[in-house]
Amino acid sequence: DTEVTQTPKHLVMGMTNKKSLKCEQHMGHRAMYWYKQKAKKPPELMFVYSYEKLSINESVPSRFSPECPNSSLLNLHLHALQPEDSALYLCASSQEGSGNQPQHFGDGTRLSIL
Amino acid sequence: KNEVEQSPQNLTAQEGEFITINCSYSVGISALHWLQQHPGGGIVSLFMLSSGKKKHGRLIATINIQEKHSSLHITASHPRDSAVYICAVRWTSGSRLTFGEGTQLTVNP
Repeated sequence: DTEVTQTPKHLVMGMTNKKSLKCEQHMGHRAMYWYKQKAKKPPELMFVYSYEKLSINESVPSRFSPECPNSSLLNLHLHALQPEDSALYLCASSQEGSGNQPQHFGDGTRLSIL
Repeated sequence: KNEVEQSPQNLTAQEGEFITINCSYSVGISALHWLQQHPGGGIVSLFMLSSGKKKHGRLIATINIQEKHSSLHITASHPRDSAVYICAVRWTSGSRLTFGEGTQLTVNP
């Protein structure tokens, strides 16, 4: 069992829908990450939160909106997505955001846009 | 350009074989991570190292800072080791990870 929990595991949505992906960790980690992964490709960093503040936004389109309500939770709000946004969305956490700590990954949400 | 290269891209082995996956990078790093991703999608962090060698069970990771190279070894491979193995580095000049393209390992019984 992973220590980072992502819900839902699968999500199918239309281009006009609004949905949210959720990520939760109770390890006391202060950095949390969203990654996007296309098939047979490595993960691509989208956002980093450090101490509940957005510290990195990799020029992600505004149809993806992250939110960190508290140190244990990370959400990714989705609106008006495009078919090319279909991918595996991975959440990760680490003790802090320097890159010198292991990142703990969730199992991901597999997103399909119709 | 800061790059991470893995080899081989694909590797098929028979159960019991010794396996080596290689990772080379272009400039100085402060940490290198080896990750394992199973077909379901979840990623497990296997090792994080900045020098020397680490061992966990049948897995061994080594890094040579001067040569900018790391290897992941699996001894007595088993079909359950079949997965994608990904090398990721943190450059000295930044905080985010740069990922290699991954090595797809298949171990046949």
